[in-house]
Amino acid sequence: GENVEQHPSTLSVQEGDSAVIKCTYSDSASNYFPWYKQELGKGSQLIIDIRSNVGEKKDQRIAVTLNKTAKHFSLHITETQPEDSAVYFCAASMGMRFGAGTRLTVKP
Amino acid sequence: DGGITQSPKYLFRKEGQNVTLSCEQNLNHDAMYWYRQDPGQGLRLIYYSQIVNDFQKGDIAEGYSVSREKKESFPLTVTSAQKNPTAFYLCASRAGIGDTQYFGPGTRLTVL
Repeated sequence: GENVEQHPSTLSVQEGDSAVIKCTYSDSASNYFPWYKQELGKGSQLIIDIRSNVGEKKDQRIAVTLNKTAKHFSLHITETQPEDSAVYFCAASMGMRFGAGTRLTVKP
Repeated sequence: DGGITQSPKYLFRKEGQNVTLSCEQNLNHDAMYWYRQDPGQGLRLIYYSQIVNDFQKGDIAEGYSVSREKKESFPLTVTSAQKNPTAFYLCASRAGIGDTQYFGPGTRLTVL
């Protein structure tokens, strides 16, 4: 089945800095790659996604890039804010396997 | 309001008892999924169903069972064979492969 690896497992940045989380996947047939943000008491929310016919997608401070050849995709958060602190999960579409998660802490 | 509901939010059971977690969606989604999350860990796929009356094992199906008799419902039974059932269980659904997946609020199961 699909194998999704996510790095780093924890990430700490200063407010205003950028944060990058990377995921690799194994199934070349995967064509949809979402990112979820999990906060205590708020559940898991989709924050951005990308399909395999696109190399990059941006939504305000959040962007996702996809390299199909290398089978990896990354989440980029610019101008980080304390409210960005959460656990972020990536997923690859075929079997909907998730990465292990990255705990992002943004220090004020 | 469209969405996914899971009940109850917290569930306590004695060791050796089977317990069934509810997951209902009114999004008209074909595919539904069950994940388990342990503290500090990611989401692990237990079972998934891409269409009514059909389901497949995920990565950690041992000790669990599911049914998909109705499109809107995908209950998960945690059996006594599951060696470490205490965890946070998340249900999800989506229209199909390549579509956005939506999560329910989760059920925290504690086996005493």
